[in-house]
Amino acid sequence: DAGVIQSPRHEVTEMGQEVTLRCKPISGHDYLFWYRQTMMRGLELLIYFNNNVPIDDSGMPEDRFSAKMPNASFSTLKIQPSEPRDSAVYFCASSLRGASTYEQYFGPGTRLTVT
Amino acid sequence: GEDVEQSLFLSVREGDSSVINCTYTDSSSTYLYWYKQEPGAGLQLLTYIFSNMDMKQDQRLTVLLNKKDKHLSLRIADTQTGDSAIYFCAHDGETGKLIFGQGTTLQVKP
Repeated sequence: DAGVIQSPRHEVTEMGQEVTLRCKPISGHDYLFWYRQTMMRGLELLIYFNNNVPIDDSGMPEDRFSAKMPNASFSTLKIQPSEPRDSAVYFCASSLRGASTYEQYFGPGTRLTVT
Repeated sequence: GEDVEQSLFLSVREGDSSVINCTYTDSSSTYLYWYKQEPGAGLQLLTYIFSNMDMKQDQRLTVLLNKKDKHLSLRIADTQTGDSAIYFCAHDGETGKLIFGQGTTLQVKP
């Protein structure tokens, strides 16, 4: 398996623009997580899904952020409109509930810069 | 509570041992984990320990768990420059997610 795939790897956009980040989890995994990492706030869990259903979105900063998982192999995180304070590295991770541990496999991340 | 606390920075000399510490508040965890993040990359699982174990050794890595004090540590023997990274401890909860600490940056000086 290729692991968790994220695209794009880098995104530079202007304030006010819509940004869509994409994630393909590891095939067969039933949990998907979106994280944000910044120097100031560290690693933050934004939202996670189980079997394509959002379980906990309490980490989503505000209504400008939305996430979807239309099927087991694809998820998006959308920011509309984007602001400079959204600049961060966004990670997607997946895991398998039936495994002996809750080990999460992380993608390489999308580095977002909002100017 | 779900807090996980780590010191932010550790600097060691190449060849020395590194010990990274972590404390947590939730005693219901089944597994506790150490993840490694190299520059420009995602987090990668380094090792984990079952909550009813006190110690786990894996080559240069030794994990110690003091469940009474809710203290987890990662010891890296013969630390190399390639070990320079951010190390995160984490524990699981009932809901399928992991609770991560803020990460410890390990700097290895030649």
